[in-house]
Amino acid sequence: DAKTTQPNSMESNEEEPVHLPCNHSTISGTDYIHWYRQLPSQGPEYVIHGLTSNVNNRMASLAIAEDRKSSTLILHRATLRDAAVYYCILRGGTNSGGSNYKLTFGKGTLLTVNP
Amino acid sequence: DTGVSQDPRHKITKRGQNVTFRCDPISEHNRLYWYRQTLGQGPEFLTYFQNEAQLEKSRLLSDRFSAERPKGSFSTLEIQRTEQGDSAMYLCASSLLGERTDTQYFGPGTRLTVL
Repeated sequence: DAKTTQPNSMESNEEEPVHLPCNHSTISGTDYIHWYRQLPSQGPEYVIHGLTSNVNNRMASLAIAEDRKSSTLILHRATLRDAAVYYCILRGGTNSGGSNYKLTFGKGTLLTVNP
Repeated sequence: DTGVSQDPRHKITKRGQNVTFRCDPISEHNRLYWYRQTLGQGPEFLTYFQNEAQLEKSRLLSDRFSAERPKGSFSTLEIQRTEQGDSAMYLCASSLLGERTDTQYFGPGTRLTVL
């Protein structure tokens, strides 16, 4: 499985934007970039995913580098409820074959949000 | 609540005892996954079902572990002759085959403590 590299921890202030980086230099052409987060004492939850173009949803934005070797999850206005571990995960597309169904988690980035 | 549910939420057992966990996926989801998470680490894939068929088992799943998904609905994970190293959070997730993002929805987990 292609691997991702994330900082162990980051800190932000409430209501400020947060940019969470992820490096994935060995990404293949069919790998999607997924982000999940895990709030304290909960299971992970889906945040966003993308392939090549930048993506926006109600939770966050995903900025993907042109060479796709890195990406950034953007929380536009951090709240205390955004304090969590954020995981960047590569997954093969549904047409790529192989075991694209499972998620391979790293240690993620622990985001602390200060009031 | 129509999300993924897991029972029990907490289990304390003595070494050598058998334990069984249950997972109820989102009702129309045909894919079901089990993961294990130890302190400070991301979740690790254990096994995967598509309907009632168990299609992959991780090498982490020793002979003491068995998972079933009768009738393609709920799933159980049994650990026989528990060891202290089995202490972890056991997470269940489900997804819908064919859904574009193949988002996995996680339950709250079962925290196992082996004394």
